[in-house]
Amino acid sequence: DTEVTQTPKHLVMGMTNKKSLKCEQHMGHRAMYWYKQKAKKPPELMFVYSYEKLSINESVPSRFSPECPNSSLLNLHLHALQPEDSALYLCASSLKGERGWGTDTQYFGPGTRLTVL
Amino acid sequence: AQTVTQSQPEMSVQEAETVTLSCTYDTSESDYYLFWYKQPPSRQMILVIRQEAYKQQNATENRFSVNFQKAAKSFSLKISDSQLGDAAMYFCAYRIKLTGNQFYFGTGTSLTVIP
Repeated sequence: DTEVTQTPKHLVMGMTNKKSLKCEQHMGHRAMYWYKQKAKKPPELMFVYSYEKLSINESVPSRFSPECPNSSLLNLHLHALQPEDSALYLCASSLKGERGWGTDTQYFGPGTRLTVL
Repeated sequence: AQTVTQSQPEMSVQEAETVTLSCTYDTSESDYYLFWYKQPPSRQMILVIRQEAYKQQNATENRFSVNFQKAAKSFSLKISDSQLGDAAMYFCAYRIKLTGNQFYFGTGTSLTVIP
């Protein structure tokens, strides 16, 4: 089973709202990722968690706050977003979080399409 | 800097024909992995094929194959017997083996399949 699930599928929020995106995998993967993707563009890396610890933060504004409560779950908390934050937010996971070891293919979830009004 | 270049923003192919999507990358590393991902419109990004840099043999997966030229830093994807379901954005990506987690994506090629 190579499934990464994301909820909700769609989210519309105002600039003053607080919401959260959820990502889950049960493949035993120890690296999990958040990406932001605009239409017809490649995914832009936001955060990487390796063994439940934040290992990469690509200078993302503080209105995005990631959380990894356990090895299967990844959240992205949203607060005071701007209209330019509207995008598809993708979660991905890969088998190993440390250096090397295997091909570490990333498996992507279907994404949450976020609209900020 | 690690960069991935896909020089063809859009491509089209007749159904049942063959098409090749190009990808070049720039790295000073010697040990890495290369990937092609497919993202159909409004659908999930899925892995098409992957290649390990130390393997000289080109990877194949059914109708999909790659032409990996390590010296030229080129990694093209060939789709044979194109089907309507192959229509999608295709992203080339690579990952350095020793530095772990970060994937570097190209800008993508939008493939249209003409019936």
